[in-house]
Amino acid sequence: ETGVTQTPRHLVMGMTNKKSLKCEQHLGHNAMYWYKQSAKKPLELMFVYNFKEQTENNSVPSRFSPECPNSSHLFLHLHTLQPEDSALYLCASSQEGSSLGGGYTFGSGTRLTVV
Amino acid sequence: SQQGEEDPQALSIQEGENATMNCSYKTSINNLQWYRQNSGRGLVHLILIRSNEREKHSGRLRVTLDTSKKSSSLLITASRAADTASYFCATDAVETSGSRLTFGEGTQLTVNP
Repeated sequence: ETGVTQTPRHLVMGMTNKKSLKCEQHLGHNAMYWYKQSAKKPLELMFVYNFKEQTENNSVPSRFSPECPNSSHLFLHLHTLQPEDSALYLCASSQEGSSLGGGYTFGSGTRLTVV
Repeated sequence: SQQGEEDPQALSIQEGENATMNCSYKTSINNLQWYRQNSGRGLVHLILIRSNEREKHSGRLRVTLDTSKKSSSLLITASRAADTASYFCATDAVETSGSRLTFGEGTQLTVNP
């Protein structure tokens, strides 16, 4: 357990479904991220939240909708997805602004399959 | 443009051998980080090296950074079968505000018993 918990671990959904991915961090970090990892491609940054405010939306289609109700929780709401959206979705957190710098702590990911 | 391109894409060695992976990047960085990922799992932070550092050690890991060549290497000494995983470098670029890591495509390391 890394301190970042993602649920569910696996999700199969139809293209007309609506589902949500959940991420929770217990590290007291002030920044949270959603990344998409597809086969044969580098990790793609999707969204960044800093102190609950969205600071980056990396040209992500509107069928992905993030929500950050507080600095410990991050959601990714999904609707009318396409098969090419099938991927591993990774949540991460970090402490921005630390003079020591630091890495990201990742959750175990949600393996999403769109059928 | 993509930051952080690893080389080689795949590496297969015998247990006990050393494994070296390289990473090249394009822009000025605050720091460079290496991560490990077991199949289908999240990434685990291994080591961070700042732009003013040239070498760093952590256990069996040794990381070097050459900012003039915009490159880094990760050396795993005395490899074990449990080191089998994908290894990614990630850069924290100066040009971006806040901490925004950009990842490479990774090196798949296989350590054969």
